[in-house]
Amino acid sequence: NAGVTQTPKFQVLKTGQSMTLQCAQDMNHNSMYWYRQDPGMGLRLIYYSASEGTTDKGEVPNGYNVSRLNKREFSLRLESAAPSQTSVYFCASSEAGAGAHSPLHFGNGTRLTVT
Amino acid sequence: DAKTTQPPSMDCAEGRAANLPCNHSTISGNEYVYWYRQIHSQGPQYIIHGLKNNETNEMASLIITEDRKSSTLILPHATLRDTAVYYCIVRVVWGSSNTGKLIFGQGTTLQVKP
Repeated sequence: NAGVTQTPKFQVLKTGQSMTLQCAQDMNHNSMYWYRQDPGMGLRLIYYSASEGTTDKGEVPNGYNVSRLNKREFSLRLESAAPSQTSVYFCASSEAGAGAHSPLHFGNGTRLTVT
Repeated sequence: DAKTTQPPSMDCAEGRAANLPCNHSTISGNEYVYWYRQIHSQGPQYIIHGLKNNETNEMASLIITEDRKSSTLILPHATLRDTAVYYCIVRVVWGSSNTGKLIFGQGTTLQVKP
């Protein structure tokens, strides 16, 4: 039981390049989330998927797109990377979404640097 | 949104209880208190949550004051592996659905010493 798995663990991009961050969970959770963590800013929600087939914007969605490929997988895409997107990205999942108080289970993050 | 206040750092001797305080004086009646921790270079880890009653699980105990304006996370027998940043969070509602928006703040860095 691996929990939430993120790939890659590290990535360096040049400004304007694109890439996709992958996330998979094996807990049969319905809801999945993408956060970014920056020094002094805490964790901020980028996008979430309350259930398979649905996605919605969080606090800081600009410059990102997501795909809920199936119940297990939720990917985050940077179409044209910018230095402001240098951050640590965390994927999380929870058993239920709307109206529930299910704790979030986080992956170990992807450390992205955009030069 | 209710904000939380935590001391920036604390030390604890290995094997002793670690008591981590949190103030949330503007908490609403239907907001839960959550505790997460983040060990260096890892993703945040859920510890415990509660509404108004004290809660205990295999990791910790959560004591919430009667007026709900503050709480204390207790690690009964701290080990070196408990060294981490501990976040006290009040769960907020995102728009019309409760979708897991968490405001982590700065947390408390707990250093467990041998």
